[in-house]
Amino acid sequence: GAVVSQHPSWVICKSGTSVKIECRSLDFQATTMFWYRQFPKQSLMLMATSNEGSKATYEQGVEKDKFLINHASLTLSTLTVTSAHPEDSSFYICSARIGTSPYNEQFFGPGTRLTVL
Amino acid sequence: AQSVTQLDSQVPVFEEAPVELRCNYSSSVSVYLFWYVQYPNQGLQLLLKYLSGSTLVKGINGFEAEFNKSQTSFHLRKPSVHISDTAEYFCATGTFGNEKLTFGTGTRLTIIP
Repeated sequence: GAVVSQHPSWVICKSGTSVKIECRSLDFQATTMFWYRQFPKQSLMLMATSNEGSKATYEQGVEKDKFLINHASLTLSTLTVTSAHPEDSSFYICSARIGTSPYNEQFFGPGTRLTVL
Repeated sequence: AQSVTQLDSQVPVFEEAPVELRCNYSSSVSVYLFWYVQYPNQGLQLLLKYLSGSTLVKGINGFEAEFNKSQTSFHLRKPSVHISDTAEYFCATGTFGNEKLTFGTGTRLTIIP
C-alpha cells in the first residue's frame, strides 16, 4: 500500500527556535497533503491543507505565520514551526491523498512528537 | 459544522470475543464516514468507508460497520477479535463538497488473551 513517512519521529527544541518537519509520500504522488495536530486523549485537528505548487489553506485559528507549510513537490511537504514555545508541544501528523477527490483515502504518516522546552 | 463522538476511550475484549466500537456523528448535511486504525508507532490506516449505497460496509481484517442515519451512528464491529487487533481506532466524518475530515477522539481496543 501507499506509504507516507515523517521525519523526524520526535524532536526536542528550546523555546524560540524553529523546527522543520518533513512529510514524504514514498511510492505515490500526492496532489494534496494535510497537516494535523493531536493533543493527548484528543482527536486529530486539521491545521492546514496544501496542494502542490500553491499556498496552503489554513484552518480557522491556526497562525499561518507560525506554522509555515511548503508543498514544493508531489512527494514532499514540510511544516516549519517558527519561534516554537512550550504550548506548541504536540504530536503532528501529516497525510497525503492521491488525486483531488475528497472521498479518496488519505494515507497517514506515523507522526512527529515535538517537545519545546 | 459536524462533530464525531466516540464515547468509549478504552475497550478491553477477550480474544475471540465479538466487539463493537461506537461512533456517533452530528451534521446538518449528508456525510461520508471513515474508520481508521492506528497500530503502535504507525500511521493511521483506512479500515473502511461509507459514501453511499448499502449501509453495511465491509472493511479489511474482518471488520464491518453499519451506517444508521436515523441514529446518526456508524458503529464498527468484528465477530471475533485477535491479539493483532490491539490498536487505536478512529472514526472520521466529512461532508460532501468539503474535503475536511473531522475525527473522533479514538477508542483504544485492548485484546485480552
